[in-house]
Amino acid sequence: GEDVEQSLFLSVREGDSSVINCTYTDSSSTYLYWYKQEPGAGLQLLTYIFSNMDMKQDQRLTVLLNKKDKHLSLRIADTQTGDSAIYFCAEGHGSSNTGKLIFGQGTTLQVKP
Amino acid sequence: GAGVSQSPSNKVTEKGKDVELRCDPISGHTALYWYRQSLGQGLEFLIYFQGNSAPDKSGLPSDRFSAERTGGSVSTLTIQRTQQEDSAVYLCASSLARLGETQYFGPGTRLLVL
Repeated sequence: GEDVEQSLFLSVREGDSSVINCTYTDSSSTYLYWYKQEPGAGLQLLTYIFSNMDMKQDQRLTVLLNKKDKHLSLRIADTQTGDSAIYFCAEGHGSSNTGKLIFGQGTTLQVKP
Repeated sequence: GAGVSQSPSNKVTEKGKDVELRCDPISGHTALYWYRQSLGQGLEFLIYFQGNSAPDKSGLPSDRFSAERTGGSVSTLTIQRTQQEDSAVYLCASSLARLGETQYFGPGTRLLVL
C-alpha cells in the first residue's frame, strides 16, 4: 500500500543547513510536497515538486527527488530559529480520481541558537 | 484573498454526543478534503469532494463519521456518538484541481472528547 516515512526529529544550530529526508512507496506519485506546521497552527505549503523533476530550488529551500530510490529531501540553508516546526512530506496524484495526499508522520526540526 | 477557514477552532464535548465541524474553502476551489491529525501523528485522510462527483469516502474510520458539501462550497464533517479516540485536530483543505494536488489547509478544529 501507500506509505510515507520520515525521521521524527532533527536538531541543528542556527546558521547551519538542515536536511529532512522522506521515503515513499507509491511509484505512481505525481506530486511530492513539503508542508510546515508551526505550534498551534495549520499546515503551510512550503514547496512541491513534480515527479519528473530531480531538483527544485526556492530561496533557502532545495528539494531533491530520487525517483529510483523513492527518496525526497528538503534542505533548508542558513537555518533560523523561526524555522523550528514540524515538517511533513506528502505524496499525491494528478489523477482527478485520487485527491488524497498521503502524509508522513512529520519531522520535528529544532533550531538551537 | 481569504484562505480556508474552519469553525469552531476548539470543541470540547462529552462522549456519546454528536459534533459538527465546518469548513469554508477558498473561493473557486472545486476540491475539498478532510484530514485528521491525532496527537503526535501524521495526517490521516478522511474524505475528498471534487465538484459534483461522488466523494471519496475511503478514509472515514467508521460509520459514525459523515460529511457533506452543500452547493459545491461549504462542507460539514459530522461525528455521531463521539468516542474519546475521536479526539484530534480535524483539518480541512481545498485546491484548484486543475493545478494538481496543491492543497491549502485551514487552521483546523481541535476536538476533545471527554
